[in-house]
Amino acid sequence: NAGVTQTPKFQVLKTGQSMTLQCAQDMNHNSMYWYRQDPGMGLRLIYYSASEGTTDKGEVPNGYNVSRLNKREFSLRLESAAPSQTSVYFCASSGPSSGAARYNEQFFGPGTRLTVL
Amino acid sequence: QKEVEQNSGPLSVPEGAIASLNCTYSDRGSQSFFWYRQYSGKSPELIMSIYSNGDKEDGRFTAQLNKASQYVSLLIRDSQPSDSATYLCAVNPPDSNYQLIWGAGTKLIIKP
Repeated sequence: NAGVTQTPKFQVLKTGQSMTLQCAQDMNHNSMYWYRQDPGMGLRLIYYSASEGTTDKGEVPNGYNVSRLNKREFSLRLESAAPSQTSVYFCASSGPSSGAARYNEQFFGPGTRLTVL
Repeated sequence: QKEVEQNSGPLSVPEGAIASLNCTYSDRGSQSFFWYRQYSGKSPELIMSIYSNGDKEDGRFTAQLNKASQYVSLLIRDSQPSDSATYLCAVNPPDSNYQLIWGAGTKLIIKP
């Protein structure tokens, strides 16, 4: 099993350009997440999808959109990139595990390093 | 405001010693607690989960949870240079099955 995969690994954009970050998981998990990580600020949740067909805003959703394409895939779109969106983006997924939804062990993909000039 | 607090470090520990990492959280009703390890330039990796008060051991790692005092700790015995990384504490608040509240992480350096 590949776990959680993300593409691309690196990307450089100019201000105003758009792009989509792709994420897929093969663990049959219900829930998927998009985070950004900036130096000294820890992980911040952008959007999440509790189950196929649903998406919800996280802590920092402005400037982003998401699509839960199916149970495996969850994409993040930047419609008009800004320098403030320079960051490392992580996708994660979770079960539930142990038969209970509250045991929220999340598993991460390798990340996308995005630079917006 | 739900918060998870960690000392940012760096915490420097000699090889072979015990490394102790601490985390406090603000939401008293939290039920699930996680420790992740993140090497520089890599993604977070789950190393321990704990749900009940007390200790949980897995190899050289021990997680300790005290809900009354609202802290969770991670002990690493016989520390190795390969344990040098940033350790992230995450807490599942009681009003969400899906979201985790993350600490900013403690950087651990194991000195040979």
